[in-house]
Amino acid sequence: NAGVTQTPKFQVLKTGQSMTLQCAQDMNHEYMSWYRQDPGMGLRLIHYSVGAGITDQGEVPNGYNVSRSTTEDFPLRLLSAAPSQTSVYFCASSSTGTYNEKLFFGSGTQLSVL
Amino acid sequence: AQSVTQLDSHVSVSEGTPVLLRCNYSSSYSPSLFWYVQHPNKGLQLLLKYTSAATLVKGINGFEAEFKKSETSFHLTKPSAHMSDAAEYFCVVSERTGGFKTIFGAGTRLFVKA
Repeated sequence: NAGVTQTPKFQVLKTGQSMTLQCAQDMNHEYMSWYRQDPGMGLRLIHYSVGAGITDQGEVPNGYNVSRSTTEDFPLRLLSAAPSQTSVYFCASSSTGTYNEKLFFGSGTQLSVL
Repeated sequence: AQSVTQLDSHVSVSEGTPVLLRCNYSSSYSPSLFWYVQHPNKGLQLLLKYTSAATLVKGINGFEAEFKKSETSFHLTKPSAHMSDAAEYFCVVSERTGGFKTIFGAGTRLFVKA
């Protein structure tokens, strides 16, 4: 029972580099989302998707792109990394994305941008 | 406007004593409220949720929370702390607004002393 799987667990980038954080879930969930966690700020929503082919912006979308070509996968792309994107990133999913459903979280990706 | 405030950034208790983590919220609609726990280097895990049924909600590992609409509070309690409860706890409010919107509190780190 894998649940939500994120890779890599750790990544160090130089300013201006690009990379993709991977997220996959095996629960056939329609809703998937990306959060960033910064000290003292809780989790903030970056982008989310309510199904394959549908994505939308969250609270802090600038500097990030997403796509959802399959139900299982929801990669997060950093186009040109900046030190302000140093954070811990979490992918989360839920069955249908209604407001009263619990979220299932991956174990996170710790990203440092130098 | 929707918001959530966790009143303590850190709480320290002795093993075997009660735990109280405080959360106040504001919402224009009838919200769902959640508590999630995050152990070090792990993803978030649902402790309990309130969705307009019973106001006293029981969760996993002996935790419970009481929804008090008049006080706009959703405090998390446990009668007797265990060393394994040491973690960060997040209060979350989610409401239906067209789609839906979920806001995380900044988190409360719980320390448990032997």
